[in-house]
Amino acid sequence: GIQVEQSPPDLILQEGANSTLRCNFSDSVNNLQWFHQNPWGQLINLFYIPSGTKQNGRLSATTVATERYSLLYISSSQTTDSGVYFCAVERSTLTFGKGTMLLVSP
Amino acid sequence: DGGITQSPKYLFRKEGQNVTLSCEQNLNHDAMYWYRQDPGQGLRLIYYSQIVNDFQKGDIAEGYSVSREKKESFPLTVTSAQKNPTAFYLCASSSFKGGGNTIYFGEGSWLTVV
Repeated sequence: GIQVEQSPPDLILQEGANSTLRCNFSDSVNNLQWFHQNPWGQLINLFYIPSGTKQNGRLSATTVATERYSLLYISSSQTTDSGVYFCAVERSTLTFGKGTMLLVSP
Repeated sequence: DGGITQSPKYLFRKEGQNVTLSCEQNLNHDAMYWYRQDPGQGLRLIYYSQIVNDFQKGDIAEGYSVSREKKESFPLTVTSAQKNPTAFYLCASSSFKGGGNTIYFGEGSWLTVV
């Protein structure tokens, strides 16, 4: 099946810092989504981005489908950004990466 | 409010018992899914259903069963055949919107075997 690798696995930031999370995938996909899982386990859909660039406030994402990767940018990080960020790719069903655990300290 | 409701939030099971996790959605989505999450891991697909009265096995279906008798409901039974059932279980649903599926998750159910 398709492989999804996320990097880095863990990231610690000071509040206000910027960061870039990466998602590599092994084959062509129909869909790519980014999710944030908060410390209570709730998964929130951040972006549906099979290709191109999207922005939502301090977050933006870029997918380069031909090169099989996607990037999630977090600017001016806040403590509420802490949690795990998952990339998931879809061919027939969604396949998740193992996530990047982000801790933003005050 | 529209959304996905999972219950119970926390469940303890004795060895050898079957348990059923409930998932209800009022988003009018056709597709529903069950995922399992283990500590430090991503989500793995157990079962999914794209239409009422039909469902397919995911990557880790052994020891689990589902039903889809109504569009809004997709319960998951963790059977005694599942050897390591302690995990966080997430239900999701999705609809196709001109170009792809956007998936939404419930708040999850924590299952612990005692």
